[in-house]
Amino acid sequence: GDSVTQMEGPVTLSEEAFLTINCTYTATGYPSLFWYVQYPGEGLQLLLKATKADDKGSNKGFEATYRKETTSFHLEKGSVQVSDSAVYFCALSEVNTGFQKLVFGTGTRLLVSP
Amino acid sequence: DTGVSQDPRHKITKRGQNVTFRCDPISEHNRLYWYRQTLGQGPEFLTYFQNEAQLEKSRLLSDRFSAERPKGSFSTLEIQRTEQGDSAMYLCASSFVYEGDHEQYFGPGTRLTVT
Repeated sequence: GDSVTQMEGPVTLSEEAFLTINCTYTATGYPSLFWYVQYPGEGLQLLLKATKADDKGSNKGFEATYRKETTSFHLEKGSVQVSDSAVYFCALSEVNTGFQKLVFGTGTRLLVSP
Repeated sequence: DTGVSQDPRHKITKRGQNVTFRCDPISEHNRLYWYRQTLGQGPEFLTYFQNEAQLEKSRLLSDRFSAERPKGSFSTLEIQRTEQGDSAMYLCASSFVYEGDHEQYFGPGTRLTVT
């Protein structure tokens, strides 16, 4: 079945450092890809998405490019802030399932220190 | 638009007891999803509704679990004869399905602890 693999955390960075969180996927069809973020004590929030190959999703300084050839959707940010500390989940949704079930990775915790 | 709400936020119960959770989706959203998230894992799909019809159930949803969405608005998830393995965060999400975007909006979750 479909699956998502993302790098284990925690990822610990200093403020203004460059961030990469790796995500690869396995899918039988042509999925849409998502990054969700979960801040402490809050629900999951959609951070960005891409619906087809070579699309780039971006939001709040974060970016991810849908790479079909490497089945990847790595999350990047050029300069992280303390407020970016959260758990980040990569997810996919198979368009052809009709009901848009999300399949999530295990999450990567990001800790940013001042 | 007040977002997806879930009640209660926390529930502690003894093994063998029944529990019921409620989810209120964003108004006008016609799809409602339930997910379960255990510690250190990503959310896993349990079931979803299109209006009041339950259209898909995961194998994770044993016979002890039942979900309803009686009028196509709020939904309830009941767990009968709870077991310690049921301890998890139960997440609800809703979406409005139209051609193109199907973004799911998540609630804050109900954390269940079975002692």
